Amino acid sequence: NAGVMQNPRHLVRRRGQEARLRCSPMKGHSHVYWYRQLPEEGLKFMVYLQKENIIDESGMPKERFSAEFPKEGPSILRIQQVVRGDSAAYFCASSALGQGIANIQYFGAGTRLSVL
Amino acid sequence: QQQVKQSPQSLIVQKGGISIINCAYENTAFDYFPWYQQFPGKGPALLIAIRPDVSEKKEGRFTISFNKSAKQFSLHIMDSQPGDSATYFCAAWVTGGGNKLTFGTGTQLKVEL
Repeated sequence: NAGVMQNPRHLVRRRGQEARLRCSPMKGHSHVYWYRQLPEEGLKFMVYLQKENIIDESGMPKERFSAEFPKEGPSILRIQQVVRGDSAAYFCASSALGQGIANIQYFGAGTRLSVL
Repeated sequence: QQQVKQSPQSLIVQKGGISIINCAYENTAFDYFPWYQQFPGKGPALLIAIRPDVSEKKEGRFTISFNKSAKQFSLHIMDSQPGDSATYFCAAWVTGGGNKLTFGTGTQLKVEL
């Protein structure tokens, strides 16, 4: 049973380009979460999605950032017109349940985005 | 506003010693407190977790102590080993509160021989 798969592991973009980060949840999981980790900081929640629905995007920057989790395929975190401040590690997590104490989130290895 | 404060930022412990990492929270609605372990280049992995109706939980060499009145909880690693060298994050969650984990800023632990 493969874990949460994220790709690419490392992504380099120039300022103004677009970054697309992919996340395939664990088998059987239908809840996906994205977190951002800046250097020397903890992980910060960005967005929570279920298949075809955004449940909570309270941590997403209002501009340039979007996320989706289509019926088929991986979840995508998209950053348009990247700036140097977007350089960070982006982690995806998935869970089997949407609520309750047993809703353990399992994390992928992350995508490290570097903006030149 | 940092809702979960973690200390120390870094910690060096001798092999066989006890590593202690502390966290304090502000939001009294938090009702689940997991600890995550992260190795360089990897994602966080759940280590151990506790609910506020329990004052202590032990799993192997790892123990969480919880003080609800002080709104504090801590991770103790007994007989620390070099393989325990990693970054540790405390976190908190509100059941039914949108499923988002609020993380502390992390503690970089190094266990020396």
